Amino acid sequence: AQSVAQPEDQVNVAEGNPLTVKCTYSVSGNPYLFWYVQYPNRGLQFLLKYITGDNLVKGSYGFEAEFNKSQTSFHLKKPSALVSDSALYFCAVRDGSGNTPLVFGKGTRLSVIA
Amino acid sequence: KAGVTQTPRYLIKTRGQQVTLSCSPISGHRSVSWYQQTPGQGLQFLFEYFSETQRNKGNFPGRFSGRQFSNSRSEMNVSTLELGDSALYLCASSLAVSGVGSPLHFGNGTRLTVT
Repeated sequence: AQSVAQPEDQVNVAEGNPLTVKCTYSVSGNPYLFWYVQYPNRGLQFLLKYITGDNLVKGSYGFEAEFNKSQTSFHLKKPSALVSDSALYFCAVRDGSGNTPLVFGKGTRLSVIA
Repeated sequence: KAGVTQTPRYLIKTRGQQVTLSCSPISGHRSVSWYQQTPGQGLQFLFEYFSETQRNKGNFPGRFSGRQFSNSRSEMNVSTLELGDSALYLCASSLAVSGVGSPLHFGNGTRLTVT
């Protein structure tokens, strides 16, 4: 069965500094990888996905993620953090068969300090 | 285009009661998934439906059930409520089977409190 680990419950970064939110995964076969963001009292919003192709994926709001097959990682990055980026971030994975559900990590709370 | 609509937004129930939550997907989306979100456990998968057929079911007791109608709208039911069922229940829709190609689009959830 597939699984996702987000090793940090909380990440703090100063505004203007680069940010990284870590994610590692386990799946049989080729992974389909996703990042979502959740603002208070809202549902999750899709940020970006990796299906195949370029290892560096660009998404919404200036976020990008790097797929690393050998390290089974899919870290979320942004070159310059904004206070408005403060939210809860979820990494998710499923295998490419379509026969298993999308599995989420437990989330990482990002706090950007002015 | 209207997003995923979940009703009601808030529910307060007593232990032992049952509850039905409703989800209307984005127009044209045929896949609906349900997740339970709690602070300690993150998002736990409940069900996935595609064209009225349950494709996947998570590791939840039989008190949790769901269904999808011919218009793609979905409901989930929890019977004999327990205090531990208090959570945010999220519904998500997608064009295809969840995650394959197209991302999930989430509603704002139903906050269930069991007292």
